[in-house]
Amino acid sequence: QVQLQESGPGLVKPSQTLSLTCTVSGDSISNGNYYWGWIRQPAGKGLEWIGRIYSSGGTNYNPSLKSRVTISLDTSKNQFSLNLTSVTAADTAVYYCARGLFTPRLDYWGQGTLVTVSS
Amino acid sequence: QSALTQPASVSGSPGQSITISCTGTTSDIGSYNYVSWYQQYPGKAPKLMIYDVSNRPSGVSNRFSGSKSGNTASLTISGLQAEDEADYYCSSYTSSSTLEVFGGGTKLTVL
Repeated sequence: QVQLQESGPGLVKPSQTLSLTCTVSGDSISNGNYYWGWIRQPAGKGLEWIGRIYSSGGTNYNPSLKSRVTISLDTSKNQFSLNLTSVTAADTAVYYCARGLFTPRLDYWGQGTLVTVSS
Repeated sequence: QSALTQPASVSGSPGQSITISCTGTTSDIGSYNYVSWYQQYPGKAPKLMIYDVSNRPSGVSNRFSGSKSGNTASLTISGLQAEDEADYYCSSYTSSSTLEVFGGGTKLTVL
């Protein structure tokens, strides 16, 4: 059974960097049949793609966040990570990691982690 | 503003059927059969219910079905049950972006 688990600080100060890690079990992030993504959801609002990374290390980012986002793989730990710089209150949201397939769909999701940007 | 348009809410009584629409453009739904639907309960992660317009993942009830006509995709839930009360999101491949687009979500209320 594939499981994903987000981890990281729940509170980040404005202008600082939000850093989250997704630990994957039951599958290898080196598996070329999948990609690994980050999606966020502000309270009471809809889902928003942040970006994704392929086993090759290639990435796709949301154009509205591209200048601030980096997604990376750590194959030794079977984890992938999200860094979002220069955060503001608008970045407060539940952040989900997920596994995706190439006829695009997200078949496994983490439980989500709330990140609040506040001083 | 979301790239795909969904009604904010729909409702139905137990046993009835409801349909949730998801309207896009010729850059997404109208040209590609890569529409997926997700169910989300409050405080929980989304769950994949339909992919490639009309395919159900293993374990998803056959009361859930998907279809597409032109630029609009639809999710139909038949034999509505109280446990179906949730938010539903559509998503589609789009030629306008390297990432898929989501709809704004629809809150389903079972009366």
